[in-house]
Amino acid sequence: KAGVTQTPRYLIKTRGQQVTLSCSPISGHRSVSWYQQTPGQGLQFLFEYFSETQRNKGNFPGRFSGRQFSNSRSEMNVSTLELGDSALYLCASSPQGLGYGYTFGSGTRLTVV
Amino acid sequence: AQKITQTQPGMFVQEKEAVTLDCTYDTSDQSYGLFWYKQPSSGEMIFLIYQGSYDEQNATEGRYSLNFQKARKSANLVISASQLGDSAMYFCAMRDRPTNFGNEKLTFGTGTRLTIIP
Repeated sequence: KAGVTQTPRYLIKTRGQQVTLSCSPISGHRSVSWYQQTPGQGLQFLFEYFSETQRNKGNFPGRFSGRQFSNSRSEMNVSTLELGDSALYLCASSPQGLGYGYTFGSGTRLTVV
Repeated sequence: AQKITQTQPGMFVQEKEAVTLDCTYDTSDQSYGLFWYKQPSSGEMIFLIYQGSYDEQNATEGRYSLNFQKARKSANLVISASQLGDSAMYFCAMRDRPTNFGNEKLTFGTGTRLTIIP
């Protein structure tokens, strides 16, 4: 059974650019969540999607956005990148969003220079 | 607001010894779930164990057990017979209202870096 797949694994972008990260959940999982991990702030919740609808959003500026497709794959976009956006971005999926089975991907490590 | 506190930034433990990683939490909700995750240097968060707030027995998963003391709001992870492969960051996390749609998020602690010494 394939796990949660995040692409790309590593990314280097220049300040001011935008970036799109992708997450393919486990087959059959309909809930996808995104987290940002930095040394200073730790792990912080970005947003959660279920059946193409954003159900919950963390305290991040509007530059951070996401979406979910009908096949449950999700993308997150960060526009006008800042140096502080450098982080490990983790995606987690769960079957229906009500259970306790969160499976995380290996993450995308974004470096903004 | 929910808060998770992990007071041990780092721990060194001899191989084959048992280790306890501390976690305390703060929430005003009666229904919540507590998780422990392991994060090796590769970055992936690996689920270890789950405890629901209404579960009467402490959760166990192989070498992992969760010492749940609800009145003290603590959920310590116990790893028995530690192995070199246990060296990693360990995160305690909480999800409130597990059965409520629209509240799907985990609040994480700052983590404990565990190093197993041969």
